[in-house]
Amino acid sequence: QVQVVQSGAEVKKPGASVKVSCKTSGYTFTTYGISWVRQAPGQGLEWVGWISAYYGSTNYAQKFQGRVTLTRDTSTSTAYMELRSLRSDDTAIYYCARESEEMGTVFFSYWGQGTLVTVST
Amino acid sequence: DIQMTQSPSSLSASVGDRVTITCRASQSISNYLNWYQQKPGKAPKVLIYAASSLQSGVPSRFSGSGSGTDFTLTISSLQPEDFATYYCQQSYNAPRTFGQGTKVDLK
Repeated sequence: QVQVVQSGAEVKKPGASVKVSCKTSGYTFTTYGISWVRQAPGQGLEWVGWISAYYGSTNYAQKFQGRVTLTRDTSTSTAYMELRSLRSDDTAIYYCARESEEMGTVFFSYWGQGTLVTVST
Repeated sequence: DIQMTQSPSSLSASVGDRVTITCRASQSISNYLNWYQQKPGKAPKVLIYAASSLQSGVPSRFSGSGSGTDFTLTISSLQPEDFATYYCQQSYNAPRTFGQGTKVDLK
């Protein structure tokens, strides 16, 4: 069965960087893309970006351009999100989600458990 | 960016009620619309993709409709496990924007 397991919670100071991992299993990693979505405390869902597990190509939300880098390691079926120059409003749960495509539409079919990133002095 | 607007932002309902949530896109997105359910402390779960296709394992009391700019999620008979927050999301293009969410709680 498909599993998506993220790394543990992080506490960072403003200006620092964080790298969150997303390890997958139960399917051929390179077949599906992975998106990253974040959720600030008590708020809604915000799409951060996407990476093609096959090609490694990426697409980022404009808001995060220049601060976020998505990568993947096909040998370990793991995707990574690095966010730099952290601010207090980056405090959120960060989810990775494996995509599926059916009837020509893409949706997030398998989600990690989420990684809480807290940015605080 | 395509803006997704859900209404209402919250609603109170009773077990057995028929519940309808709407989602409007700022431009036509054909049927590239997905619905997710999120319970407190949990990751979202896909319910409906391509506007009206039920994801495997999701109860048939959930249904979706619409195309273009206006979409609807309907729960035909609300069950205790359905109290949650629901999000629409467009997959027409990037960024893959979400609606602000609709919280369904107990009346």
